[in-house]
Amino acid sequence: DTEVTQTPKHLVMGMTNKKSLKCEQHMGHRAMYWYKQKAKKPPELMFVYSYEKLSINESVPSRFSPECPNSSLLNLHLHALQPEDSALYLCASSQDYPIPDTQYFGPGTRLTVL
Amino acid sequence: QKEVEQNSGPLSVPEGAIASLNCTYSDRGSQSFFWYRQYSGKSPELIMSIYSNGDKEDGRFTAQLNKASQYVSLLIRDSQPSDSATYLCAGYSSASKIIFGSGTRLSIRP
Repeated sequence: DTEVTQTPKHLVMGMTNKKSLKCEQHMGHRAMYWYKQKAKKPPELMFVYSYEKLSINESVPSRFSPECPNSSLLNLHLHALQPEDSALYLCASSQDYPIPDTQYFGPGTRLTVL
Repeated sequence: QKEVEQNSGPLSVPEGAIASLNCTYSDRGSQSFFWYRQYSGKSPELIMSIYSNGDKEDGRFTAQLNKASQYVSLLIRDSQPSDSATYLCAGYSSASKIIFGSGTRLSIRP
């Protein structure tokens, strides 16, 4: 089973709202990732967690706050977003990091910021 | 220079023919390469991973890696309309990150 789940599928929020995106995997993977993807562009890496610790932050603005409560769960807390933050947010997981292994993507959350 | 480069397409191939997708990379330290398929509005789906020089076959798909030429390709045999999608080439860089190409749009015409 190579399933990564994400909730919600769609999210519309105002610039003053606080919301969270959730990601879950039960493959026993120890690495989890957040990507942002704009239309007709490839995914852009935002954060990498390895063994529940933040390994990479790609200079992401502080209005995006990741959290890894345990090895199966990854959250992305959103606050004071801008309309340009509207995008598809993808979670992925892999067996380990930084081993160059396959990353499996969840279905994504389509975020619209008004 | 982009780290992973792909022709953006669109690449139009008749149904039943072979579709050939190409990718070059600049980081000689890259160890692993991946092809993902992405339908419009959906998330990337892994098609193939390849780690060693040569060919790797899985059903209608064959990935080819040439590390000396820094070249990766994906062949799709007996192309079907359902193969119409954007194909993302990705390499695992020496900076321990997957770097994606910009994607090639493939259209299979009946």
